[in-house]
Amino acid sequence: GQNIDQPTEMTATEGAIVQINCTYQTSGFNGLFWYQQHAGEAPTFLSYNVLDGLEEKGRFSSFLSRSKGYSYLLLKELQMKDSASYLCAVSLDSGAGSYQLTFGKGTKLSVIP
Amino acid sequence: DTAVSQTPKYLVTQMGNDKSIKCEQNLGHDTMYWYKQDSKKFLKIMFSYNNKELIINETVPNRFSPKSPDKAHLNLHINSLELGDSAVYFCASSQDTFSYEQYFGPGTRLTVT
Repeated sequence: GQNIDQPTEMTATEGAIVQINCTYQTSGFNGLFWYQQHAGEAPTFLSYNVLDGLEEKGRFSSFLSRSKGYSYLLLKELQMKDSASYLCAVSLDSGAGSYQLTFGKGTKLSVIP
Repeated sequence: DTAVSQTPKYLVTQMGNDKSIKCEQNLGHDTMYWYKQDSKKFLKIMFSYNNKELIINETVPNRFSPKSPDKAHLNLHINSLELGDSAVYFCASSQDTFSYEQYFGPGTRLTVT
């Protein structure tokens, strides 16, 4: 079966750096995504990794190791508005040439002054 | 302009009723999805349509029936509503089944009493 694990909650201080980890055991892996979801809102796309390594986009970076089934999302210079849930999602080959996203349960990040 | 829209935003109804949620995207995407997010914020795919054809149908009760009149619309009809159907339902779309970025609608909060 598919299994995606990430911490349930994290707390970090404004201006600091936080790393949110995600581990997965899946078959048919096609890439790993991070989405941000503020309370009461829709998820929004943050990053996508399909090859090993680090992808940087402004204050946010995402890392993938396919051999280890491991990814992390790194948030720098934390701002209060970064308080949200961060969803790790794996793209899996669902057959017939299509792919589907399977989400982890999300990490709720609280940024404190 | 709203990329992915859903109506209604809130839906409160009694057990046993039948209800529909509508979704429209104006992005010209070929693929649309329905997700369910439960009270623990776990986001799970229900259905996926590509060019009006069903390509993913996860294990959901057959009381749930998606309908895609054209590739810009994917509606969700639910028969004989149960308490456990209470959740937030998100519609999403992507360029095609291979695209990595999915755009989510604002969600419909369904409460069954």
